[in-house]
Amino acid sequence: DTGVSQDPRHKITKRGQNVTFRCDPISEHNRLYWYRQTLGQGPEFLTYFQNEAQLEKSRLLSDRFSAERPKGSFSTLEIQRTEQGDSAMYLCASSSRVLAGPKETQYFGPGTRLLVL
Amino acid sequence: AQSVTQLGSHVSVSEGALVLLRCNYSSSVPPYLFWYVQYPNQGLQLLLKYTTGATLVKGINGFEAEFKKSETSFHLTKPSAHMSDAAEYFCAVSFMNTGFQKLVFGTGTRLLVSP
Repeated sequence: DTGVSQDPRHKITKRGQNVTFRCDPISEHNRLYWYRQTLGQGPEFLTYFQNEAQLEKSRLLSDRFSAERPKGSFSTLEIQRTEQGDSAMYLCASSSRVLAGPKETQYFGPGTRLLVL
Repeated sequence: AQSVTQLGSHVSVSEGALVLLRCNYSSSVPPYLFWYVQYPNQGLQLLLKYTTGATLVKGINGFEAEFKKSETSFHLTKPSAHMSDAAEYFCAVSFMNTGFQKLVFGTGTRLLVSP
């Protein structure tokens, strides 16, 4: 169990550029979540995958955001035409199908910190 | 709608003193409650959680929390603070929404521990 990993850890980009983040969940975890954390705030739910299916998207996820999990393993989060308001920490979490329901524990990655200039 | 309020964005204690971090929740259904800790440049780590059963929940690193339905609270405590406890702490509430666990976090409390 190597934990949830995210790449890159930091990203600086100019407004209007596209960025893509990757999340590798714990092996065999079928549930994957993305959250966004802005300065001084707690994480906010963005989207949820069960295997390769994206089953829930927050209203925070505008049409500039797209997330995929093509083979039910790693996931990518892409932001098109970045804006300064997109600057935040993007966190990924995964959990096991075995402990679904209230006993489910989400394991978080270290996050990708995005700065849009 | 479910929500969480954490009173105090910063709490300062001396090493060895009692740690008390406050969390109040709002939920229209029986809540599931969590405390997470975040160290600098790291992801969130689960400290403890309440789902059902015993209202006093023990977690890792000597932390515990008590679910008080009448007060809609889930405060986090530790009898004796250690320097290594300095971090940001987040309270969260979840509800089962279409079969997955949707976490709603508070704004966090930064714990500062002085020698």
